[in-house]
Amino acid sequence: NAGVTQTPKFRVLKTGQSMTLLCAQDMNHEYMYWYRQDPGMGLRLIHYSVGEGTTAKGEVPDGYNVSRLKKQNFLLGLESAAPSQTSVYFCASSDQITQYFGPGTRLLVL
Amino acid sequence: AQSVTQLDSQVPVFEEAPVELRCNYSSSVSVYLFWYVQYPNQGLQLLLKYLSGSTLVESINGFEAEFNKSQTSFHLRKPSVHISDTAEYFCAVTEGGANNLFFGTGTRLTVIP
Repeated sequence: NAGVTQTPKFRVLKTGQSMTLLCAQDMNHEYMYWYRQDPGMGLRLIHYSVGEGTTAKGEVPDGYNVSRLKKQNFLLGLESAAPSQTSVYFCASSDQITQYFGPGTRLLVL
Repeated sequence: AQSVTQLDSQVPVFEEAPVELRCNYSSSVSVYLFWYVQYPNQGLQLLLKYLSGSTLVESINGFEAEFNKSQTSFHLRKPSVHISDTAEYFCAVTEGGANNLFFGTGTRLTVIP
């Protein structure tokens, strides 16, 4: 059981570039989430999904898009990266109560 | 609306000393409570959780937390810390399940040799 995995682990982008972060889980969870973590601000929810083919906005969705085409995968896209999106991004999946996190992706936008 | 307050952003403590990391939440209904630990350059790991039943919950590495409904608190304690406990600890709360999980801003525990 790998749990929750994220790729890539680290990425540097220039302002205006696009990229996709991939999250995969092997626990057959219905629910998946994308968070960003910034110093002194804890974790903030970007988008989440309650099942294959569904997505919903979280606390800070602007500038991001997501897709859940397969139950085990949840993709986070940045169409036009901005320096304010420099952060550590965490994916999580859950049963109905407890969330389990991936190792994170460090993104630097120059 | 739910919110979580971790009053201490940083807690330094000497090795083998006891520690308490404080967590208070605001909610008027039944809640589920969690503590997560984040070691340097890693993701969050579930440390312990309170769902129902006994108000005292324990982790496998010696931490415990007690749910206090009247004080809306879920403080994390360990009687004797180790160097390896150095990490950031996040308290989280939800009223209605995993889709509405609110995190505190974290407490950085530093264990001093």
